[in-house]
Amino acid sequence: AQTVTQSQPEMSVQEAETVTLSCTYDTSESDYYLFWYKQPPSRQMILVIRQEAYKQQNATENRFSVNFQKAAKSFSLKISDSQLGDAAMYFCAYRRGEDSNYQLIWGAGTKLIIKP
Amino acid sequence: DVKVTQSSRYLVKRTGEKVFLECVQDMDHENMFWYRQDPGLGLRLIYFSYDVKMKEKGDIPEGYSVSREKKERFSLILESASTNQTSMYLCASSRGEPGELFFGEGSRLTVL
Repeated sequence: AQTVTQSQPEMSVQEAETVTLSCTYDTSESDYYLFWYKQPPSRQMILVIRQEAYKQQNATENRFSVNFQKAAKSFSLKISDSQLGDAAMYFCAYRRGEDSNYQLIWGAGTKLIIKP
Repeated sequence: DVKVTQSSRYLVKRTGEKVFLECVQDMDHENMFWYRQDPGLGLRLIYFSYDVKMKEKGDIPEGYSVSREKKERFSLILESASTNQTSMYLCASSRGEPGELFFGEGSRLTVL
């Protein structure tokens, strides 16, 4: 069975600095998707970034980028120039590629604290 | 923008009460989901629905049921609430784009 592990329950970073959140996963599939979701305090969870396993190029969305290492089954999220609004729970998630109804498997989450 | 609205942000119920959590989305999404979120456990899927009147069990369906009579509305029902169902419940919808879920703000349920 597929699993997703976020080994850092909590991380903190100084405002304007860079932070990396870790995520590892276990799968025997070759076709899959990986995601980072952000859940701000008392607000909706939103998708931050998505990576297709067949794409070698790491996904980037503005200040957010991933380091996708398929062989190592690692999918870390880098946040550059951290801002106070980045404070949130961050969840890594995995989805098998074939079946459109296949569900996401979620990590336990990492709480990111931004120090002003 | 997609809006997913959950009917109650905070509920307090007593053991044995029947609880309804309602979720409405306004973007004609086929798929709707109910998750339970507990600290250190991430999100666990309770039920999902990919069409009106269709439902599929997720990872933790015991003690829950769902109803989807209309495309935009997906209800979670706790037939007889228990204290171990105290949790945050998240509703989400999607149009089929792999993994791109749109979430409501959550309903925090406390069962006494």
